[in-house]
Amino acid sequence: QEQLVQSGAEVKKPGASVKVSCKASGYTFTSYYVHWVRQAPGQGLEWMGIINPSGGSTSYVQKFQGRVTMTRDTSTNTLYMELSRLRSEDTAVYYCARERHSIGLDPWGQGTLVTVSS
Amino acid sequence: QSVLTQPPSASGTPGQRVTISCSGSSSNIGTNTVNWYQQLPGTAPKLLIYSDNQRPSGVPDRFSGSKSGTSASLAISGLQSEDEADYYCAAWDDSLNGYVFGTGTKVTVL
Repeated sequence: QEQLVQSGAEVKKPGASVKVSCKASGYTFTSYYVHWVRQAPGQGLEWMGIINPSGGSTSYVQKFQGRVTMTRDTSTNTLYMELSRLRSEDTAVYYCARERHSIGLDPWGQGTLVTVSS
Repeated sequence: QSVLTQPPSASGTPGQRVTISCSGSSSNIGTNTVNWYQQLPGTAPKLLIYSDNQRPSGVPDRFSGSKSGTSASLAISGLQSEDEADYYCAAWDDSLNGYVFGTGTKVTVL
């Protein structure tokens, strides 16, 4: 079935970088945009940006400009989200989610907890 | 911060009808379709309603969506205990050139 499987939890120190992976299966990888969304503990959903797996073009929310990089590897059907210069406020569960055009985000990955602590 | 506003909580007894509002603006709900997501405790969000009022396959018909102007609503009729979850509205925002989520509503079944 169509699914996104993300990498495991990470613990990072302030100032470090983290790279989360999201492996797609069950559908044509290059046919659907993928979004990245994060959720801080006890908080709501926050959209981070979007990547077109076909050409690799990206669009990031202004808040993360300069700190986030979204990439993809078409040989392994895997997407990546790297966040640099981590601070404690970046502690959150990070999700990837496929966009079905005119339908919405479906499916979602299971989420990756990133903890930033000294 | 979220640009779509939802009430923080809603509740009802089993069998009751619960409605959740989502208030936006002309650049998001007023122009683009609204989606709703359900997030059960400890799990990833799941698409519940798309294109304002359409249900994906497998979503019970007691969930319904509507939209008028710059506001949208999600209704749950015949509330069940398994509906206890967080619900988020979402839409593309043309001014921000990004996808925006609502503040989220926690539904409690009394």
